Amino acid sequence: SYALTQPPSVSVSPGQTASITCSGDKLGNKYTSWYQQTPGQSPVLIIYHDDKRPSGIPERFSGSTSGNTATLTIRGTQAMDEADYYCQTWDSRTEVFGPGTKVTVL
Amino acid sequence: EVQLVESGGGLVQPGGSLRLSCAGSGFTFRSYWMSWVRQAPGKGLEWVANIKEDEGEKNYVDSVKGRFIISRDDAKNSVFLQMNNLRVEDTAVYYCARRGVVGWGSYYFDFWGPGALVTVSS
Repeated sequence: SYALTQPPSVSVSPGQTASITCSGDKLGNKYTSWYQQTPGQSPVLIIYHDDKRPSGIPERFSGSTSGNTATLTIRGTQAMDEADYYCQTWDSRTEVFGPGTKVTVL
Repeated sequence: EVQLVESGGGLVQPGGSLRLSCAGSGFTFRSYWMSWVRQAPGKGLEWVANIKEDEGEKNYVDSVKGRFIISRDDAKNSVFLQMNNLRVEDTAVYYCARRGVVGWGSYYFDFWGPGALVTVSS
């Protein structure tokens, strides 16, 4: 079955840029979405179709894909961005989530 | 405003059954695929099942095939998850989610419910 990999954790200072990677076999030939989840809350869609932002999502969140890796970038990271982030794609009629990355704003 | 609300969670013994429901509002329910996604305590997200409009197609993660059944009632704007032969490892918060689409292969979950906790324990 298809699998995605993410780093378990990423640390970033307030105001700096955080980059979260998501890797999978031929991921560049698929579409990736990203979700933010804070403790006790439901996930929130922040990026879909590799680089599209839903309405209401701040511009500091952006997505890109190159080769086998999708990247979520948070520019000007704020304390409120401290959360778990999950990538997701679709393969052979199944939805696949990455294991998640905990972003800590130090 | 799009809203999804799950119900039916609870405590069940291993080998038992439980039926989750999800009521949708604020959108044309019959026009969307719907999904169930679960999250075990302290763990990541795991897609469980999805169902096409008009129940034309249903898909499941391997670990629940033969035990879980997804269904929908578009007249009631609801999707269901019948869970049979439950195992301790099925313990999780179960989220109902609407699946959005840009085109073939580009699918995402744009709205989520608050979740329903299912605990499988003796």
